[in-house]
Amino acid sequence: KAGVTQTPRYLIKTRGQQVTLSCSPISGHRSVSWYQQTPGQGLQFLFEYFSETQRNKGNFPGRFSGRQFSNSRSEMNVSTLELGDSALYLCASSGRGQGGTEAFFGQGTRLTVV
Amino acid sequence: DQQVKQNSPSLSVQEGRISILNCDYTNSMFDYFLWYKKYPAEGPTFLISISSIKDKNEDGRFTVFLNKSAKHLSLHIVPSQPGDSAVYFCAAGGRGTSYDKVIFGPGTSLSVIP
Repeated sequence: KAGVTQTPRYLIKTRGQQVTLSCSPISGHRSVSWYQQTPGQGLQFLFEYFSETQRNKGNFPGRFSGRQFSNSRSEMNVSTLELGDSALYLCASSGRGQGGTEAFFGQGTRLTVV
Repeated sequence: DQQVKQNSPSLSVQEGRISILNCDYTNSMFDYFLWYKKYPAEGPTFLISISSIKDKNEDGRFTVFLNKSAKHLSLHIVPSQPGDSAVYFCAAGGRGTSYDKVIFGPGTSLSVIP
């Protein structure tokens, strides 16, 4: 069974640009969550999608948005990039939804904003 | 406001000894707790979990202890091996409740010295 796939692995953008990250969950998983990892802050929850609907949202500004397609693939978009958006963005999928079940993570997309 | 805290950013342990990683949480709605392990350049992988109806869960060299009254959990690794060197994230969530987000702590970097 293929794992969670995130593309691209690495990305360099300049301030003010926008970026779209992609996540393909494990086949059959309907829940996809996005996290931002920065040094010292751990994994900060961005949002969760389940069956194409945003079910949970973390405390991030509106510049961060996402969507999920009918095949459960998800995209995350960040507009008007800031230097502080440089981080590892991780996507996780789970079968029954995020609550209380272990999630399977992708390798992440390393975003650098210059 | 960190709802899941891991107050030790790093820990060094001799090979063969016990590693104890600690985690505290503030939200009494959490009833399911997970530990993840993360190597550099990889996504976190699920290690072990515990439900709030238990106070201990064991899986091979890994044991998680939960003290609900103290809102504290710990991960014990016995014996520690060099391959255990990684960042360990504690996570908490609600199983089947309205609070179905999983919140991660900032992580503890474990170094097992041969």
